[in-house]
Amino acid sequence: LAKTTQPISMDSYEGQEVNITCSHNNIATNDYITWYQQFPSQGPRFIIQGYKTKVTNEVASLFIPADRKSSTLSLPRVSLSDTAVYYCLVASRAAGNKLTFGGGTRVLVKP
Amino acid sequence: DADVTQTPRNRITKTGKRIMLECSQTKGHDRMYWYRQDPGLGLRLIYYSFDVKDINKGEISDGYSVSRQAQAKFSLSLESAIPNQTALYFCATSDSQLSQNEQFFGPGTRLTVL
Repeated sequence: LAKTTQPISMDSYEGQEVNITCSHNNIATNDYITWYQQFPSQGPRFIIQGYKTKVTNEVASLFIPADRKSSTLSLPRVSLSDTAVYYCLVASRAAGNKLTFGGGTRVLVKP
Repeated sequence: DADVTQTPRNRITKTGKRIMLECSQTKGHDRMYWYRQDPGLGLRLIYYSFDVKDINKGEISDGYSVSRQAQAKFSLSLESAIPNQTALYFCATSDSQLSQNEQFFGPGTRLTVL
C-alpha cells in the first residue's frame, strides 16, 4: 500500500477555504486516492475519492495532478463544524479495500 | 453510520478478562473490518472479513480473535485483556461491488483495561 504524508495540523477561520495537500510519491497505477473525515469519538466518514484530475461533491473538491504523486483536498468556506481530523488514503481494489490510516491532519476552524 | 452498530459502547474491564465486542450491520455489505485507534493516532486494522467464511489478519492481530457469525455480524474477542489494549475500537463495512474504498464505520467502543 502506498504511504501518504500530510501535515499534522492546520488552523483556519470560518468562511475561509482550507486546502490540505497529501503526498503519495509511490502511488501505483491501480491506486485510488480517498479522503476521510473524523470528528472526536466518532468513526471516520468517507468524504471524497478520485483517480485523476478533479472530483467535486457537495462537501469538498479533490485535485490530483497528472503525475498523481500528490493530491489536495479543498474544503470551501469552512465552518466551526468542519473542525476534525482529515485522513488521506491510497489503496487499490487489489488491496481488497484494506485501508491504511496514517496520523491525518487535524484541522481547527476558529471563529 | 446508524446502519452499523457496535455493542457495548463503553466497557471497563480488568486484566486477564475475556471480552467480546460485537458489530452488526443492516447495509447488506459483504466485507467487515475491525480497527483500533489510540489517542492522537490513526486507525490500525486488526482483522477483516470479505465473506462469512473468510477471515484475515490485519496489521495488529496478536491478542485478538474474530468471528463472522453471519454476513451481518462480526465480533472481536480479547481472550485475555491487557492494559495496552485500552483503545477506541471501530467496526466498518464495505461493499465489494460498490465504491472503491468507501467504508462505513460504526460509532466505536471505548474499552478500558485496568
